[in-house]
Amino acid sequence: EVHLVESGGGLVQPGGSLRLSCAASGFTFSTYWMTWVRQAPGKGLEWLANINQDGSEKNYVDSVKGRFTISRDNAKNSLSLQMDSLRADDTAVYYCATGLGVTYRYTLGYWGQGTLVTVSS
Amino acid sequence: QSVLTQPPSVSAAPGQKVTISCSGSSSNIGNNYVSWYQQLPGTAPKLLISDNNKRPSGIPDRFSGSKSGTSATLGIIGLQTGDEADYYCGTWDNSLSGVVFGGGTKVTVL
Repeated sequence: EVHLVESGGGLVQPGGSLRLSCAASGFTFSTYWMTWVRQAPGKGLEWLANINQDGSEKNYVDSVKGRFTISRDNAKNSLSLQMDSLRADDTAVYYCATGLGVTYRYTLGYWGQGTLVTVSS
Repeated sequence: QSVLTQPPSVSAAPGQKVTISCSGSSSNIGNNYVSWYQQLPGTAPKLLISDNNKRPSGIPDRFSGSKSGTSATLGIIGLQTGDEADYYCGTWDNSLSGVVFGGGTKVTVL
């Protein structure tokens, strides 16, 4: 069974940094695209970034380019999101998700439970 | 303002049918597969439909998806109270080089 567990969320001041992690199990992590999606309170889903199997291809939404960095450690079955220069509008629940299968880049088949990031002074 | 356009809400009585539209453009829906996600209150999203019209294992056949041109539709028949949720369409956008979602549609069972 696919299992994704996010961690690292919390309260951070504007301008600060935070690193989110996603621990994966139940599938061959190194063969799947991985993705971060967030959801601001009471709002819809916003795709943030994805990364291919070996980390050589990364894509970002414009609103986080230059501030957020997606990475993965296939040896540890772990996905990360380094978030710098955080702003109040980055406040959201952050989800990690996998592709539906090894060939799926943008169909998000499995999701974690999410971790809440609050940016406030 | 979402790249994909969905109605904010739809409603129907138990047992009835609802459809949710998702409108895009040639850079997204017109040239890529559409997925649909269900988000029950307080939970993470769940994949409902992939590849325009395929149901992952465990998804009841009361849920269906279709696509025509630059629009997609999710259908739910035999509506149940447990179907009350937010539903999102999503696909890849070739111009943005990223995933785009609709704004979400809240389904209410009257």
